[in-house]
Amino acid sequence: GQNIDQPTEMTATEGAIVQINCTYQTSGFNGLFWYQQHAGEAPTFLSYNVLDGLEEKGRFSSFLSRSKGYSYLLLKELQMKDSASYLCAALDSNYQLIWGAGTKLIIKP
Amino acid sequence: GAVVSQHPSWVICKSGTSVKIECRSLDFQATTMFWYRQFPKQSLMLMATSNEGSKATYEQGVEKDKFLINHASLTLSTLTVTSAHPEDSSFYICSARGRGGGKPYEQYFGPGTRLTVT
Repeated sequence: GQNIDQPTEMTATEGAIVQINCTYQTSGFNGLFWYQQHAGEAPTFLSYNVLDGLEEKGRFSSFLSRSKGYSYLLLKELQMKDSASYLCAALDSNYQLIWGAGTKLIIKP
Repeated sequence: GAVVSQHPSWVICKSGTSVKIECRSLDFQATTMFWYRQFPKQSLMLMATSNEGSKATYEQGVEKDKFLINHASLTLSTLTVTSAHPEDSSFYICSARGRGGGKPYEQYFGPGTRLTVT
């Protein structure tokens, strides 16, 4: 079956760095997305990886290892506004997104 | 670019009535639209996928006669919750995927509709 695993909740301190991991098992693979979702709002796009390696975009970076079925989202210089849920989603062979349950990130002052 | 709107943003209805939610792609042609439901503190659950001009494909466990989806044009899809009950109260989110622009196969999300059935 298809499955996405990510931690349910993480806590970090303002100004620090946090890494949110995601492992996936899908029928075929056409890339991996990370989305940010604040409570009561729709998800917003953060990153897309289809090749192995690290993609950096400002304070946020995303890494992919296709051979390991593994990705992580790295958030640097954490700000209070980064408190949100972070959703990992893999695109399968039918180009359908398979969603993880999301990781709730709590930022403490 | 790639803006998706939803209307209404929130709606309260009485049990047994029907509610229609509209999802529009404002600046691109949405060849595929997705409807999700999200209960509090849970992740997105895909309800159905619709391609313009064809019938929607529903996920297992989603009643197609209760959740009517119409994707009549490349910019509009509607979800009608028929005979709504309190357990249908949820956050309904649409997303659209189109030709051109953005990351390949990226879905653009609408702002969501909060449905409360009393």
